Amino acid sequence: KAGVTQTPRYLIKTRGQQVTLSCSPISGHRSVSWYQQTPGQGLQFLFEYFSETQRNKGNFPGRFSGRQFSNSRSEMNVSTLELGDSALYLCASSLAGTSQETQYFGPGTRLLVL
Amino acid sequence: AQSVAQPEDQVNVAEGNPLTVKCTYSVSGNPYLFWYVQYPNRGLQFLLKYITGDNLVKGSYGFEAEFNKSQTSFHLKKPSALVSDSALYFCAVRDWDNYGQNFVFGPGTRLSVLP
Repeated sequence: KAGVTQTPRYLIKTRGQQVTLSCSPISGHRSVSWYQQTPGQGLQFLFEYFSETQRNKGNFPGRFSGRQFSNSRSEMNVSTLELGDSALYLCASSLAGTSQETQYFGPGTRLLVL
Repeated sequence: AQSVAQPEDQVNVAEGNPLTVKCTYSVSGNPYLFWYVQYPNRGLQFLLKYITGDNLVKGSYGFEAEFNKSQTSFHLKKPSALVSDSALYFCAVRDWDNYGQNFVFGPGTRLSVLP
């Protein structure tokens, strides 16, 4: 079974631009979560989608948004990019997102904002 | 709110020696605990988890972890370290404040296994 895939793997943008990242979960998985990883803040939860609905959101500004499609694929969007948005963005999927389930992570998208 | 601490930023161990990566947690309710490993330029790979039952959990690549409720710890262990075990290790707990649907991660511990 294929793992979680994320595209693109690397991205360079300039301040003020916007960016869209894509995540395809493991087949059959309906819950998709997004995390931001930076050297200073570590791994932080962004949001979680299940059945095309945002079920949970971390403490990030409204510039960070996402959506999920009927095939469970998810995208996250960051508008008006800031230098501090440079990070590794990780997507994780699980069957239904319940507390006992394991989340499986993709390789991440590394975003550099100049 | 749930929290996870990994008191050591870096752990160095000689190949063939046992290794321990420490994790302590603070949760309300039942603790659901996980260990992940991250290799350079890679995502997180699942190692093992504790949900309930036996306090000694066995996972991938020969790793195991011991859940200790009285000490609120979930230390990761391996009897004999390999150079290929060198990586960044994260302990995580389910966040009940958000209905258990996301992780709260520790800051990570960098493990270096020296040949």
